Amino acid sequence: AQRVTQPEKLLSVFKGAPVELKCNYSYSGSPELFWYVQYSRQRLQLLLRHISRESIKGFTADLNKGETSFHLKKPFAQEEDSAMYYCALSGPPMNTGFQKLVFGTGTRLLVSP
Amino acid sequence: SAVISQKPSRDICQRGTSLTIQCQVDSQVTMMFWYRQQPGQSLTLIATANQGSEATYESGFVIDKFPISRPNLTFSTLTVSNMSPEDSSIYLCSVATPGQGGDTQYFGPGTRLTVL
Repeated sequence: AQRVTQPEKLLSVFKGAPVELKCNYSYSGSPELFWYVQYSRQRLQLLLRHISRESIKGFTADLNKGETSFHLKKPFAQEEDSAMYYCALSGPPMNTGFQKLVFGTGTRLLVSP
Repeated sequence: SAVISQKPSRDICQRGTSLTIQCQVDSQVTMMFWYRQQPGQSLTLIATANQGSEATYESGFVIDKFPISRPNLTFSTLTVSNMSPEDSSIYLCSVATPGQGGDTQYFGPGTRLTVL
């Protein structure tokens, strides 16, 4: 079964400190992983996907198949990074050909001045 | 990316009644999905809304409780039937289109439902 685990409900850091939001997954196939973010009073939006190997807003995430992890990192947190972050896993295609997303429970990041 | 709107944005309903939530997209999309996010929990997929055919429901969700319509490629509705307080949740519509990866989904603003 596919599962995404985000062990921290809340991560509180000071501005300028490094941030690491943890995500571990369970999936027997070749996973595709994503980080979604929800800022206060805004809708859920895609932050980055592992397949793109990109850095968005200073955030990066590396897929570690050995550790089945996809932790989200940023070297210097900013106050505007405060938000709810969800890790998600894309499973095998459904009958429609599209893949279902399985979400973790989310981590709230709070960056204090 | 698609622009998605939902109506209503929030509602407070009485036990035993039903509420229909609308999802409108500004462009034609292949796939539309409905999610539920219960208080303090993650998003759970309810069903895939298929255009011109019956929705595909996930385990634990049934058509009688959550009937879905998808009359065209830009619109879908989710009805929460015979509501109980346990149905209090945020309900989200999302869309995906070919070429962007079916996995890259775009979400609506959500409908916050409170059942008394």
